[in-house]
Amino acid sequence: SQLAEENSWALSVHEGESVTVNCSYKTSITALQWYRQKSGKGPAQLILIRSNEREKRNGRLRATLDTSSQSSSLSITATRCEDTAVYFCATNTGANTGKLTFGHGTILRVHP
Amino acid sequence: EAAVTQSPRNKVAVTGGKVTLSCNQTNNHNNMYWYRQDTGHGLRLIHYSYGAGSTEKGDIPDGYKASRPSQENFSLILELATPSQTSVYFCASGDVGRGRAETLYFGSGTRLTVL
Repeated sequence: SQLAEENSWALSVHEGESVTVNCSYKTSITALQWYRQKSGKGPAQLILIRSNEREKRNGRLRATLDTSSQSSSLSITATRCEDTAVYFCATNTGANTGKLTFGHGTILRVHP
Repeated sequence: EAAVTQSPRNKVAVTGGKVTLSCNQTNNHNNMYWYRQDTGHGLRLIHYSYGAGSTEKGDIPDGYKASRPSQENFSLILELATPSQTSVYFCASGDVGRGRAETLYFGSGTRLTVL
């Protein structure tokens, strides 16, 4: 089974609304990352949140990390059509290693 | 910004044939990775490298080899391609900071179809 996985396969919102993607993981981690993948492209990192951090922001994006429940969330406010993409959480399980374990991804569709 | 270039973008191969997927990065990153992406599985790590001359097995290495002849180039080799290897393959590079987790920079992917 996946060591990290998003809790929803697909979400749909209208432009301007807020949306949250949730992720759970099964191992001790050093950091958790959120990536976004647009159609025909490779994933691109949105936020990296370390195990000693509880929240990280990047513009309209806000990530939280709860190590006690082994869960994370990525919230997007004021969504735009260009936010339509697949969102992945990925976990780092060791210091000084770039080996990431990705979840299966959540498809987010933002409608006009 | 990190630049990772994969070639070819699309490839059709026959079962039993040899396939080589190429990746080039211009960021002088030490680490490079090959992932495959399949519906329902996310991205799964095949092989990775910590520098020129080194290759390590990832989570699903069977049926694949890797080659890192230089800092910039990292290839994935399918010696005997099978239909189960039909997938989208992504190369990534990254540089681990001291005690820090690593950001990966991905290429745009190679879509491989094995008939």
